Amino acid sequence: GAVVSQHPSWVICKSGTSVKIECRSLDFQATTMFWYRQFPKQSLMLMATSNEGSKATYEQGVEKDKFLINHASLTLSTLTVTSAHPEDSSFYICSARPTFGADSPLHFGNGTRLTVT
Amino acid sequence: GENVEQHPSTLSVQEGDSAVIKCTYSDSASNYFPWYKQELGKGPQLIIDIRSNVGEKKDQRIAVTLNKTAKHFSLHITETQPEDSAVYFCAAIKAAGNKLTFGGGTRVLVKP
Repeated sequence: GAVVSQHPSWVICKSGTSVKIECRSLDFQATTMFWYRQFPKQSLMLMATSNEGSKATYEQGVEKDKFLINHASLTLSTLTVTSAHPEDSSFYICSARPTFGADSPLHFGNGTRLTVT
Repeated sequence: GENVEQHPSTLSVQEGDSAVIKCTYSDSASNYFPWYKQELGKGPQLIIDIRSNVGEKKDQRIAVTLNKTAKHFSLHITETQPEDSAVYFCAAIKAAGNKLTFGGGTRVLVKP
């Protein structure tokens, strides 16, 4: 089956530093990937849609300069949390849809738990 | 935009009993409805999905039903086992669109 690998699975950083999270589709190509944020005991909140070779589309209220997204290849998207603060601590999850297959299901990575101290 | 409501938010069942989770959606154009299972500290895993041209789909102990007229769909888990304990999310999406709208989630606890 389709596998999405997310790295790292957890990270602790100091306030003011930046953290990069990688999302890779291991056995399929993904023109589009999605980044979600999940707070404890809540549903997934879509942050942005990452498109290979073009700019990401951010949801309302999500700061694009704060959460930098790069989708440089058909198998890799990265989310960089810049100048992280404690309120950015959360569970970040990516998902990807195979490029070929009009209604292919979304496959999710295992998430990255970010803790900003 | 699409709005997906999910009930109940928590569900406790005895091992061997059935569990039912219900979702309603608002956009009649939505035509793909996946269900995800999320275990603690992990990402959501697709367990079953249904498209709008089908009313019911079954995979072993899991089944999903869809009522397009009423705009609701349900997940049925039969003969529940402790390993079914997790948070379950329903979702809806339009074929031509990309955004998956999630329900609020149901925390299922299967008691041995």
